[in-house]
Amino acid sequence: DQQVKQNSPSLSVQEGRISILNCDYTNSMFDYFLWYKKYPAEGPTFLISISSIKDKNEDGRFTVFLNKSAKHLSLHIVPSQPGDSAVYFCAASFNFGNEKLTFGTGTRLTIIP
Amino acid sequence: GAGVSQSPSNKVTEKGKDVELRCDPISGHTALYWYRQSLGQGLEFLIYFQGNSAPDKSGLPSDRFSAERTGGSVSTLTIQRTQQEDSAVYLCASRKGRTVHEQYFGPGTRLTVT
Repeated sequence: DQQVKQNSPSLSVQEGRISILNCDYTNSMFDYFLWYKKYPAEGPTFLISISSIKDKNEDGRFTVFLNKSAKHLSLHIVPSQPGDSAVYFCAASFNFGNEKLTFGTGTRLTIIP
Repeated sequence: GAGVSQSPSNKVTEKGKDVELRCDPISGHTALYWYRQSLGQGLEFLIYFQGNSAPDKSGLPSDRFSAERTGGSVSTLTIQRTQQEDSAVYLCASRKGRTVHEQYFGPGTRLTVT
């Protein structure tokens, strides 16, 4: 049972445009959501996160939006840069227990120069 | 400061052999996790250590898998009698404390069972 889903395995965006990566989840008990970026042969790198009490969090070119009623979150990158080309993972955790991360399967973002 | 380190970076082993994978977390991080990523899959939780508490082993796929964390720091993941389906990238992550959700990952160990 995939509790965190990233339905788009890949996305291509022109440099300078906005990249929008989507993530859906099924467990309404998730309290915290994170985005990770992964380059080949490296571990995932933490990018940005959002608590379930918020609907938006912004950090530079990166903004995460959370729609709890739809159980949907998205990551916006603007403007997109070639260095943003990577696999992006959405993850969710609980505020209790072991706070393990439940990951989506990832979206490969390619920025076209 | 130093990030999470893992060794070896690559391991090729024959089916049926035992392997040990090592993780050095970020200094001062009390929580340590093991995940694995099989080809084309997301990251799958394996085991979690928090301070001196008993580890959460709920993600271990079989009793061939075990892990320990010595002195609250270094951790070793052991896979006995490896099978081809164990081939994956094994990732270790550490987290500063219970009020912080962000986990920081090492580069992973790519395990190939032939």
